[in-house]
Amino acid sequence: EPEVTQTPSHQVTQMGQEVILRCVPISNHLYFYWYRQILGQKVEFLVSFYNNEISEKSEIFDDQFSVERPDGSNFTLKIRSTKLEDSAMYFCASRADRNMMDEKLFFGSGTQLSVL
Amino acid sequence: TQLLEQSPQFLSIQEGENLTVYCNSSSVFSSLQWYRQEPGEGPVLLVTVVTGGEVKKLKRLTFQFGDARKDSSLHITAAQPGDTGLYLCAGGYQKVTFGTGTKLQVIP
Repeated sequence: EPEVTQTPSHQVTQMGQEVILRCVPISNHLYFYWYRQILGQKVEFLVSFYNNEISEKSEIFDDQFSVERPDGSNFTLKIRSTKLEDSAMYFCASRADRNMMDEKLFFGSGTQLSVL
Repeated sequence: TQLLEQSPQFLSIQEGENLTVYCNSSSVFSSLQWYRQEPGEGPVLLVTVVTGGEVKKLKRLTFQFGDARKDSSLHITAAQPGDTGLYLCAGGYQKVTFGTGTKLQVIP
């Protein structure tokens, strides 16, 4: 089965530093997402992306966050100045067709971000 | 904001027992999904229910979507240790919102 790939699997950074989390969605998918999961808490929606622009974002996704699809394969999440509370597992997801209600959302294995 | 509450939050049962996990919301959803998540991994989709009252079966797992499309249940028959994991319901299809989760432990 096709996979969403995320790198790195673990990222440790100092508070205030910029981090870029990388994702390679499934090749023919058109819709891309970032979610995060703080340890022991629920999976939270951050942002969705389609046709090279953000289609929806949550209140968590403030000015410190940005997403980009710099080429035909990568989808990145940048946190400009990390805070302690940004420590979480970040999941990338993709789907082929947003408009089909039973279209499967594929998740990557996540990047565990630790902000010290 | 659409909220999905799951119950119970934790469940520890013996192998062979049956169990039901519930997912409830005050909002109507166009579809609901159930995922299973292993530690250190991303959620993996088990099923999507779309029609009110719909029942779907996946081997020993039975999923039901409420008639009003505000709630769903997951029933596992004769639970196995391999069923251990975090079960998440999620609603919507453009912006998928996850429930609070049910952590299931099946003891051999």
